[in-house]
Amino acid sequence: SQQGEEDPQALSIQEGENATMNCSYKTSINNLQWYRQNSGRGLVHLILIRSNEREKHSGRLRVTLDTSKKSSSLLITASRAADTASYFCATDLTSGSRLTFGEGTQLTVNP
Amino acid sequence: KAGVTQTPRYLIKTRGQQVTLSCSPISGHRSVSWYQQTPGQGLQFLFEYFSETQRNKGNFPGRFSGRQFSNSRSEMNVSTLELGDSALYLCASSLARGGSNYGYTFGSGTRLTVV
Repeated sequence: SQQGEEDPQALSIQEGENATMNCSYKTSINNLQWYRQNSGRGLVHLILIRSNEREKHSGRLRVTLDTSKKSSSLLITASRAADTASYFCATDLTSGSRLTFGEGTQLTVNP
Repeated sequence: KAGVTQTPRYLIKTRGQQVTLSCSPISGHRSVSWYQQTPGQGLQFLFEYFSETQRNKGNFPGRFSGRQFSNSRSEMNVSTLELGDSALYLCASSLARGGSNYGYTFGSGTRLTVV
């Protein structure tokens, strides 16, 4: 079963707008990671946030983590058509060395 | 430097056959993990290898097995294929066990179709 749930399942926006995706998880984590996947290809690592961090930035990406609510959000600012992809959150649990993925958000950025 | 290389890229097999998939991690990466991705179950962890030893295993039947060689290259094998084994199989490598502070680098995957 999936550790995380992502919301929304699908998101369609116009180029230049911001996109926000949310992820919730169930158990204590070591860190939470976000990945992007283009149409059936491999996953690309975007950003990692540790359990003792609350916010992290990387270029146009901003990730927040609220361990009390067991949730995270990924914000993509000034979106581009090339950002069209599926986005997954993945938790790395304190007990192991494996990623547990959410169901993903399909982002479509219209030019 | 070269990324994670998975071969073959596509594969079609018949029910009951067996298949072997290969993964070459990034040079210097010693941990290799395998994931199965299907539309119904999403991304699920299969197993992790580090220093030629299986360190962690997901909830998959014994038909799924793997190994890692001294050069960190890994193979996974699925025996007695079933239609439900049709999936994208992804390999991920990381510098250390768990990839905790470094994230994982994924290959492009092997698309297996069982007919």
